[in-house]
Amino acid sequence: RKEVEQDPGPFNVPEGATVAFNCTYSNSASQSFFWYRQDCRKEPKLLMSVYSSGNEDGRFTAQLNRASQYISLLIRDSKLSDSATYLCVVNSGQSGGGADGLTFGKGTHLIIQP
Amino acid sequence: DTGVSQNPRHKITKRGQNVTFRCDPISEHNRLYWYRQTLGQGPEFLTYFQNEAQLEKSRLLSDRFSAERPKGSFSTLEIQRTEQGDSAMYLCASSYSGGAYTQYFGPGTRLTVL
Repeated sequence: RKEVEQDPGPFNVPEGATVAFNCTYSNSASQSFFWYRQDCRKEPKLLMSVYSSGNEDGRFTAQLNRASQYISLLIRDSKLSDSATYLCVVNSGQSGGGADGLTFGKGTHLIIQP
Repeated sequence: DTGVSQNPRHKITKRGQNVTFRCDPISEHNRLYWYRQTLGQGPEFLTYFQNEAQLEKSRLLSDRFSAERPKGSFSTLEIQRTEQGDSAMYLCASSYSGGAYTQYFGPGTRLTVL
């Protein structure tokens, strides 16, 4: 089983709609969680960290469910510029991902259509 | 620009040749990471440094790969006797161990082995 699993999509969503992605992780000892955004042929950029209490940043809301070991990202009022790949990232501490133990999912590809 | 920089941005080489990539992290960051990303996959951890010490290496890092960070600032990643399977984007990231461990990525070096 992959450590971090995401639906690769693509998700084709009309502009202005709300879209949600889920991500599951296998290591129950995981400590930190992030969503990164990656545009085509560009480097990943941190979108937001995910906290146990859930957190919101403008149109973006991230939730963490430790019991079910999944993380979600909700995008409201989607814009054309939201089209990108969204990478779910988990810090499991000892996954071989370095001191920060970052393990990346394969990403979910989002296409916002006009 | 005070972000992570990588050189070269693109490298085309013939199978069997050696290549070397350079990464300059954000100046106050003491941790530096190398990742590899192939099409349709998330970044995969290769190795990381804290200051000049290489603290962890992934099993993905075969003996043809070597990384250095001699003065705790910039780092180099060398691939000897390149193979077609080495074709990928090589990403460098940096973080500060005393902070939130957020990793910031450079633009990557795209390697094509013919």
